[in-house]
Amino acid sequence: DAGITQSPRHKVTETGTPVTLRCHQTENHRYMYWYRQDPGHGLRLIHYSYGVKDTDKGEVSDGYSVSRSKTEDFLLTLESATSSQTSVYFCAISGKVGAEVGELFFGEGSRLTVL
Amino acid sequence: QKEVEQNSGPLSVPEGAIASLNCTYSDRGSQSFFWYRQYSGKSPELIMFIYSNGDKEDGRFTAQLNKASQYVSLLIRDSQPSDSATYLCAVSNFGNEKLTFGTGTRLTIIP
Repeated sequence: DAGITQSPRHKVTETGTPVTLRCHQTENHRYMYWYRQDPGHGLRLIHYSYGVKDTDKGEVSDGYSVSRSKTEDFLLTLESATSSQTSVYFCAISGKVGAEVGELFFGEGSRLTVL
Repeated sequence: QKEVEQNSGPLSVPEGAIASLNCTYSDRGSQSFFWYRQYSGKSPELIMFIYSNGDKEDGRFTAQLNKASQYVSLLIRDSQPSDSATYLCAVSNFGNEKLTFGTGTRLTIIP
């Protein structure tokens, strides 16, 4: 299994508070992604990174920011959480040598509830 | 129009039968196609991928791609109860590091 961990795994917070989710990998993969998964919408890309300090937006990036200061860590920040950001967040990595970029390895997910 | 479409199901298939999961996509520039399986409460995991028109087989799984019809499917032969899961279709352009996922089809194998 790919060495990828997410923290926290569960979080309940209140509207307007900042939240940071962390994704840590031990695989030295180049690409890291943050997705959210909601019923009826499937997996939607929030932001991704193609290298240290190199990030780009996905299809649902409003209200989210990311940072990648080290190869192994990719942080997702909700500056001011809203109830619409209640979701399950998945981190994924790819870029294993010899593999296709689309071969993603997912973390276990972080369930965020915004009250 | 959603870029990647799947029937949400649920799709119920008797044990031992063939399960057929379908996916259509809108971007004709799409080059790479992936099938992920997600058990309830778990994270997605890659089953297989396909790039070329035709069939690709891996054990009990066969992926089929028809770029002219913008259609990709996954066949599961000799379905087992352990195949009960949601199957996600994902698409990307060649060299593009971003995948677009469908909403998934929930498959239930009936013993």
